[in-house]
Amino acid sequence: QKEVEQNSGPLSVPEGAIASLNCTYSDRGSQSFFWYRQYSGKSPELIMFIYSNGDKEDGRFTAQLNKASQYVSLLIRDSQPSDSATYLCAVNSDYKLSFGAGTTVTVRA
Amino acid sequence: NAGVTQTPKFQVLKTGQSMTLQCAQDMNHNSMYWYRQDPGMGLRLIYYSASEGTTDKGEVPNGYNVSRLNKREFSLRLESAAPSQTSVYFCASSGTDRSTREQFFGPGTRLTVL
Repeated sequence: QKEVEQNSGPLSVPEGAIASLNCTYSDRGSQSFFWYRQYSGKSPELIMFIYSNGDKEDGRFTAQLNKASQYVSLLIRDSQPSDSATYLCAVNSDYKLSFGAGTTVTVRA
Repeated sequence: NAGVTQTPKFQVLKTGQSMTLQCAQDMNHNSMYWYRQDPGMGLRLIYYSASEGTTDKGEVPNGYNVSRLNKREFSLRLESAAPSQTSVYFCASSGTDRSTREQFFGPGTRLTVL
């Protein structure tokens, strides 16, 4: 059973809309959660991390965590063409991160 | 600071050849990791080193060996390359802050095994 599941893509949104990405995880002991963005042919880069239940906002990005439901999400508001990328959800367990397969987002002008 | 560096960037091997992928970080991080990324499968952990002097298997260690040469360097060796090892390999490092465990990634090595 895969430890981290993300909503399957690709996700296509118009410019200026909200992109909503979802992630569920199986390890109840996980303490910290990460969203990475990966452009085609590039390495992953961290955009958000969260470890408390609730919302965390950083510019146009909002991460939401619900540990009881083992669910973490990422909202991208006012989506821009530069947001077109694959978004990876990662869940920390001890020293290791487990990654989901990623959701590819395309923002159409 | 260069962050995490990897060499080489690209490599083509024939089945049965061996090679070592090099990784170095200048962020004074204790933990280092090797991942492979295949289409549609996300990042899968091959090996990791929680601290200098220790290494542990990850999700997909078969066919690979690692060496934590010192705090900065963590190498990945393919002893006898197979076509199934065609992939993009990423090295990453993280500090010991238990509250974050953020990992920083190198630029990747694109390996093709013929």
